[in-house]
Amino acid sequence: GQQVQQSPASLVLQEGENAELQCNFSTSLNSMQWFYQRPGGSLVSLFYNPSGTKHSGRLTSTTVIKERRSSLHISSSQTTDSGTYLCALERTNAYKVIFGKGTHLHVLP
Amino acid sequence: AQTIHQWPVAEIKAVGSPLSLGCTIKGKSSPNLYWYWQATGGTLQQLFYSITVGQVESVVQLNLSASRPKDDQFILSTEKLLLSHSGFYLCAWSRDRTNTGQLYFGEGSKLTVL
Repeated sequence: GQQVQQSPASLVLQEGENAELQCNFSTSLNSMQWFYQRPGGSLVSLFYNPSGTKHSGRLTSTTVIKERRSSLHISSSQTTDSGTYLCALERTNAYKVIFGKGTHLHVLP
Repeated sequence: AQTIHQWPVAEIKAVGSPLSLGCTIKGKSSPNLYWYWQATGGTLQQLFYSITVGQVESVVQLNLSASRPKDDQFILSTEKLLLSHSGFYLCAWSRDRTNTGQLYFGEGSKLTVL
């Protein structure tokens, strides 16, 4: 089965609303990395988070290994936040990373 | 500061023709290097990784090969392209010695096979 599951698959918000993106995993994890994928395909690294909570501006990442989940919280969403968010699970003691299918976020003005 | 450069930015190729995509990392010695591929609308998949010059490990078989001829260079190639090779190819590097660690990606190469 799928080792990394992202939810929701898509999300539509009004500007100013908050967003909670989830990534659940079923295999051993060394760390979780969150990316924003630009429309052209290139990736912007948002967080590298092995455990606990990290903040960057309006973004917060929380990884809870015991519960096998990682989340990305976007507060006070803006239209420029629209796009695809990817989580990527780094396997333990391996040079392998498994990506989720992504959450497509659309923020309406 | 480390930089990663991928080439070409985009290619349009015929089925059955050869392909070579490359990436170069500057400012970091002995990086771990990776190739990823994403079909249009699909999930990013890891294809290869290399932790040292001359050694490449395959993760997913897509009738592609990879080589690391220099410490700072990673090449993805095939002698005969298939339609299914179309997509977006990303090269990445990391610095961890026992795991992947944080990944740093290039800008990618878009491949269209006709």
